[in-house]
Amino acid sequence: LAKTTQPISMDSYEGQEVNITCSHNNIATNDYITWYQQFPSQGPRFIIQGYKTKVTNEVASLFIPADRKSSTLSLPRVSLSDTAVYYCLVWVGTDKLIFGTGTRLQVFP
Amino acid sequence: GAGVSQSPRYKVAKRGQDVALRCDPISGHVSLFWYQQALGQGPEFLTYFQNEAQLDKSGLPSDRFFAERPEGSVSTLKIQRTQQEDSAVYLCASSLVISGGLNIQYFGAGTRLSVL
Repeated sequence: LAKTTQPISMDSYEGQEVNITCSHNNIATNDYITWYQQFPSQGPRFIIQGYKTKVTNEVASLFIPADRKSSTLSLPRVSLSDTAVYYCLVWVGTDKLIFGTGTRLQVFP
Repeated sequence: GAGVSQSPRYKVAKRGQDVALRCDPISGHVSLFWYQQALGQGPEFLTYFQNEAQLDKSGLPSDRFFAERPEGSVSTLKIQRTQQEDSAVYLCASSLVISGGLNIQYFGAGTRLSVL
């Protein structure tokens, strides 16, 4: 069974950069990697999406190596409000849609 | 609508009861997805639709789970003869397309089902 794994948890302080990696060794050839943020009692919220190399938007960057078997979400200068669970979402094989195991980020003052 | 709407937000059912969970996707979104999220776990895929066609239902845990989207818009997830292990948050998401670029899924707040 394809696994999409992430570190269980990470701690950081306000103002630091945080990098969260997702390993997806059986990612579908032609599909995108998407990252979501989830707060308690809410649905996941879109952060960023990419196919290869590097993508940057106003809130994050996404780094994807050439083999696409992993991806790294980078959050610059985190704040307390970034405390949440972060998930990658990928298609694996030809038809399976799988969320990563999730990374609980705790930001301290 | 402005976003994906799910109802009810909370549902308490006695074991053995049937329940129906509703999802109103973003207007114009072709694809609709259902996920199950157990407490402290990540969402797990249940099924998805492209318009009214159910393209994949391999994630449905048992034949007690049934989803439909008859007119390609609103979807209903039905669980028959609920069991305690069905207790979870059920998330619905919609997107413009199924895969490839622009397949960003927008999620509702979910329905929290508690089976007693």
